[in-house]
Amino acid sequence: EVKLLESGGGLVQPGGSMRLSCAASGFTFTDFYMYWIRQPAGKAPEWLGFIRNKANGYTTEYNPSVKGRFTISRDNTQNMLYLQMNTLRAEDTATYYCATRITTGVMDAWGQGASVTVSS
Amino acid sequence: DIQMTQSPASLSASPEEIVTITCQASQDIGNWLAWYQQKPGKSPQLLIYSATSLADGIPSRFSGSRSGTQYSLKISRLQVEDTGIYYCLQRYSNPWTFGGGTKLELK
Repeated sequence: EVKLLESGGGLVQPGGSMRLSCAASGFTFTDFYMYWIRQPAGKAPEWLGFIRNKANGYTTEYNPSVKGRFTISRDNTQNMLYLQMNTLRAEDTATYYCATRITTGVMDAWGQGASVTVSS
Repeated sequence: DIQMTQSPASLSASPEEIVTITCQASQDIGNWLAWYQQKPGKSPQLLIYSATSLADGIPSRFSGSRSGTQYSLKISRLQVEDTGIYYCLQRYSNPWTFGGGTKLELK
């Protein structure tokens, strides 16, 4: 069974940094792309980016809205996905989800989400 | 960025009714369109991918179609458990973008 479990959320001050983690299990981690998506309360989700699989060199793609501030990385020895977020703003307040694509080419397995609040 | 205009924003229907939700893409996105259902406090669940393909474990009363740059999600024989918010997603180009959502309630 595919499982994704986010951690590391919480309250952070504007201008601060936070790293989210996503523990993956139930699949061969290195074979799959991994994604980050966020969703402010009551709003539509926003795709943040992804990191490719081993066959594609673990390269990354980012939404221009966060490129340069957010970094996606993975530890393939620990089956962990990360989202490093810097220079955080109030508008970054959201639930952050990690996801992967197992069979369909699009995000078809999601974690339960981690809440991030940016406030002084 | 490609804009995905989703309609209606909200919808109330009775059990066993047929419901259709649409997404209009601002440019050609081919079949790079997916539909998700989200229930309160839960992560989105994939329903349809590649515009018309049913995801694993999704009931056959859900179906997707495309006409040019307009995409539709049809739910035939609406069930109580189909309440929630539905989103479309285009993954044709960066940034991938979601529609604004359709909140479906049952009468």
